[in-house]
Amino acid sequence: DTGVSQDPRHKITKRGQNVTFRCDPISEHNRLYWYRQTLGQGPEFLTYFQNEAQLEKSRLLSDRFSAERPKGSFSTLEIQRTEQGDSAMYLCASSLETDIQETQYFGPGTRLLVL
Amino acid sequence: GESVGLHLPTLSVQEGDNSIINCAYSNSASDYFIWYKQESGKGPQFIIDIRSNMDKRQGQRVTVLLNKTVKHLSLQIAATQPGDSAVYFCADPPVGGSTLGRLYFGRGTQLTVWP
Repeated sequence: DTGVSQDPRHKITKRGQNVTFRCDPISEHNRLYWYRQTLGQGPEFLTYFQNEAQLEKSRLLSDRFSAERPKGSFSTLEIQRTEQGDSAMYLCASSLETDIQETQYFGPGTRLLVL
Repeated sequence: GESVGLHLPTLSVQEGDNSIINCAYSNSASDYFIWYKQESGKGPQFIIDIRSNMDKRQGQRVTVLLNKTVKHLSLQIAATQPGDSAVYFCADPPVGGSTLGRLYFGRGTQLTVWP
């Protein structure tokens, strides 16, 4: 257990529905990342926050995806009008910015299945 | 970033043998690499990292070797155990010399340890 938690661990939804995932990072970590992982592939970067500011978004993050980190602690990732291609593992990671290096600690992920 | 790739999708070893997992990268400006281990149903777990000013770094039963001449790094696991069975990823941050920010992952090598 890395200290990063995600909820729910599994989600099954029908195409067209909205879903929201939550990530609770390690408490003192100021950076929070979202990644998506499909079967047989490595995680792909989606977006990241430094405190409450969303600093970077991947082009993978279509306008149906939105992420927030309102108080600089937990974060939510919402997918609107889900499509079957959204089926994947959604991973959250957190890190503490230092002058030397940064290690990202991953949560267990939320596995999404869109029917 | 976006330059790492793993050589073999699968590797099978006998318990007690040493394992070597390889990773190649294409961008000579990449200066920091991280190895992650991902067990089934879990998020990636940090194993060890290495900066480009080093050729070798050792951890507990793991050693990472970096050959900048041929842009290749390897993860060596000594006395492989069944608990080492997992997918192993090499990852690097974006080009630019920073250790911070998003990670780019290769496709992963599935290590299977048989008795």
